[in-house]
Amino acid sequence: QQPVQSPQAVILREGEDAVINCSSSKALYSVHWYRQKHGEAPVFLMILLKGGEQKGHDKISASFNEKKQQSSLYLTASQLSYSGTYFCGTGAYSGAGSYQLTFGKGTKLSVIP
Amino acid sequence: NAGVTQTPKFQVLKTGQSMTLQCAQDMNHNSMYWYRQDPGMGLRLIYYSASEGTTDKGEVPNGYNVSRLNKREFSLRLESAAPSQTSVYFCASSEPPGTGDQPQHFGDGTRLSIL
Repeated sequence: QQPVQSPQAVILREGEDAVINCSSSKALYSVHWYRQKHGEAPVFLMILLKGGEQKGHDKISASFNEKKQQSSLYLTASQLSYSGTYFCGTGAYSGAGSYQLTFGKGTKLSVIP
Repeated sequence: NAGVTQTPKFQVLKTGQSMTLQCAQDMNHNSMYWYRQDPGMGLRLIYYSASEGTTDKGEVPNGYNVSRLNKREFSLRLESAAPSQTSVYFCASSEPPGTGDQPQHFGDGTRLSIL
């Protein structure tokens, strides 16, 4: 089952903050975040492992609440370059013991001047 | 450093034709993946290969076959293309998720249209 991302789309002015949420109905091992610009490949942002850690670099950070099976991506003081579609990928082991990453449908972020 | 290379970048097929999408990585990764991306659907896993010599089905494997030719190359084959397979296909690679902390590196994608 795909994780659910919210909101589906958001428009920001430069300098504003945004939060993108990702929730899953399955027990999670890890959460990945990727950004994809139009017509390009997804680019890795960060991975969070279970344990409730928070990570970040520059003005983009994320948290992972293992008990709630949720992760949130925080973008502060947004820049034009932040525009794109953000995907969360939730990692879990299948019944057969193999590890798979399942991506959400994405959140389209548009930053305007 | 090329990373993950996919060929071709664009392809138009007629219904019923077959073709193979090629993917090669130069990062010495053990795991490779094939995804399809449709508007509003995100990335859905078709097949993956945890290591050379192994392949497993993902979420949407019907109508596709894969071959892990060697550690570098992982191909995706459409035996009899259908319009429902019109999509953008991405190949990715990573180290095995032994601890769940391995990012996936994506190729630039193959845009496939089936008429």
